[in-house]
Amino acid sequence: AQSVTQLGSHVSVSEGALVLLRCNYSSSVPPYLFWYVQYPNQGLQLLLKYTSAATLVKGINGFEAEFKKSETSFHLTKPSAHMSDAAEYFCAVSGRSDYKLSFGAGTTVTVRA
Amino acid sequence: KAGVTQTPRYLIKTRGQQVTLSCSPISGHRSVSWYQQTPGQGLQFLFEYFSETQRNKGNFPGRFSGRQFSNSRSEMNVSTLELGDSALYLCASSPQGEMSSPLHFGNGTRLTVT
Repeated sequence: AQSVTQLGSHVSVSEGALVLLRCNYSSSVPPYLFWYVQYPNQGLQLLLKYTSAATLVKGINGFEAEFKKSETSFHLTKPSAHMSDAAEYFCAVSGRSDYKLSFGAGTTVTVRA
Repeated sequence: KAGVTQTPRYLIKTRGQQVTLSCSPISGHRSVSWYQQTPGQGLQFLFEYFSETQRNKGNFPGRFSGRQFSNSRSEMNVSTLELGDSALYLCASSPQGEMSSPLHFGNGTRLTVT
């Protein structure tokens, strides 16, 4: 069974600083990995996905993530935080025929002016 | 294209009642999934439907059920509501349900059980 662990339930960064959100996965086969963002009172929006092509994946809003098989990690980064990045971020994993996503517990990002 | 539409947005029910939530997927999408989101348990998978067939079901009691219609619209039903069923219920759709395709989520139905 696939699962993900997000390290840190809350991250606070200054505007313009690096955003780093950590995600480690557990999977017996090469997984599909995703990062989603959720703003208050909204559903989840896809930031980026890894589906076994390039290990460095670029997403929307300046976010990117690197798949590292040796470390079973898929950390999300953004070089320069913006106030609009304040939200909750979820890492998710799926096997190839699960027909479901398994989500991490989420990381809430606060951006300080 | 219109996004995933969930109705109603908010719902208040009493313990013991039942409730039906509705989801209209993006036009052309044939796979619909449901997730429950709570502060304590996070996001948990309920079930997935494709062409009116349930292909996977999460670890929820039988009080939780769903169905999909021939036009891909889906409903989920919760019977004999309990206080712990209070949650945000999210519906998501994708074209064929392949896991390489991202899910498109609706804004959810917030259910409060009193």
